[in-house]
Amino acid sequence: SQTIHQWPATLVQPVGSPLSLECTVEGTSNPNLYWYRQAAGRGLQLLFYSVGIGQISSEVPQNLSASRPQDRQFILSSKKLLLSDSGFYLCAWSRHYEQYFGPGTRLTVT
Amino acid sequence: SQQGEEDPQALSIQEGENATMNCSYKTSINNLQWYRQNSGRGLVHLILIRSNEREKHSGRLRVTLDTSKKSSSLLITASRAADTASYFCATGQNTGGFKTIFGAGTRLFVKA
Repeated sequence: SQTIHQWPATLVQPVGSPLSLECTVEGTSNPNLYWYRQAAGRGLQLLFYSVGIGQISSEVPQNLSASRPQDRQFILSSKKLLLSDSGFYLCAWSRHYEQYFGPGTRLTVT
Repeated sequence: SQQGEEDPQALSIQEGENATMNCSYKTSINNLQWYRQNSGRGLVHLILIRSNEREKHSGRLRVTLDTSKKSSSLLITASRAADTASYFCATGQNTGGFKTIFGAGTRLFVKA
């Protein structure tokens, strides 16, 4: 069966510090991968999606970037965090339209 | 931009009652999905209805889709306290990457 991992579960970072969130998927090959951000009590904002290694589509111009160095690894990064980057970050994978989510990372920028 | 808009934003019912949540969207879609999210957790896929389908059932869930009105509804019958969660509709776009756009969600509270 397929599983998706995200870490860390929680993170508190100062403004201006770098960020690296990692997501890995097991039990499937060549998945579509997604990064979302969710503000408190709100819906999901699609940040990036990838259909293959090195292929990244950005949905919202912002302070973040994504990379897919391996088939089942998706990384979300920032060089300098802003207060507005705080939120709940979710990684997901899919074969078609049904998406399967990781447990999320709660990021607080102070 | 937000595609799905759920209504109501919040819903509180007694255990055993039915819960109905609605979703409206703006552009043409390939499919519409409903997800559930327990507080502080990832989303769980519940059901997918294709654009050429009108109704679909899964256990206590019933989903309808009206593409002429660009709307969908999710009915949870005989609700339980464990159904307490946020429910999101999501529209599958006709673009590469199986892109899916999520709405803001309905927060359902089922009182025991």
